[in-house]
Amino acid sequence: DGGITQSPKYLFRKEGQNVTLSCEQNLNHDAMYWYRQDPGQGLRLIYYSQIVNDFQKGDIAEGYSVSREKKESFPLTVTSAQKNPTAFYLCASSIPTFSKTQYFGPGTRLLVL
Amino acid sequence: ELKVEQNPLFLSMQEGKNYTIYCNYSTTSDRLYWYRQDPGKSLESLFVLLSNGAVKQEGRLMASLDTKARLSTLHITAAVHDLSATYFCAVDIPTGANSKLTFGKGITLSVRP
Repeated sequence: DGGITQSPKYLFRKEGQNVTLSCEQNLNHDAMYWYRQDPGQGLRLIYYSQIVNDFQKGDIAEGYSVSREKKESFPLTVTSAQKNPTAFYLCASSIPTFSKTQYFGPGTRLLVL
Repeated sequence: ELKVEQNPLFLSMQEGKNYTIYCNYSTTSDRLYWYRQDPGKSLESLFVLLSNGAVKQEGRLMASLDTKARLSTLHITAAVHDLSATYFCAVDIPTGANSKLTFGKGITLSVRP
């Protein structure tokens, strides 16, 4: 089955710790995205990547980093510089068809201990 | 900066009645998406509206786009409990071959008997 997987489902971070969220897709999509969702809010774009080895900052990139070494994978690292990381993190991917629809993974919920 | 506004933010609907919710946006775009999110879950693509006057229907939901008014509407016909969820609209900012979306804050629909 084709799709987007994110792991883990829940992640706990201690103060000063960096954590990495995984996002993998087997849809052969070129573009991948990371969003953050806070309670009662819409999604805000953290980073996006249109091709391998290239990525751009979104609206709230501070305190986050990404890499895109493979087409299928777009991991997100939440660094210790991100002072308020508790949120629901969603990964998405899209293909440059006419519709450009983004498809979302199941999400990772990050909590601070 | 593109702003996307949805209203109302919460709507309590009575089963069997019709309702309309709105999404307006601040700058020119001819590409708008509607997504559904169930509590604690990811986003599911509902509609892609790709031009002025576009209308899409799926079951009890019908979405339309007026790019001149910068407005999309989502009409609900004869509401049923299964439609209870949060509905997001997202507007595309053209970014090369792929999309870069700005989301509204979402409208939470609750259908009561």
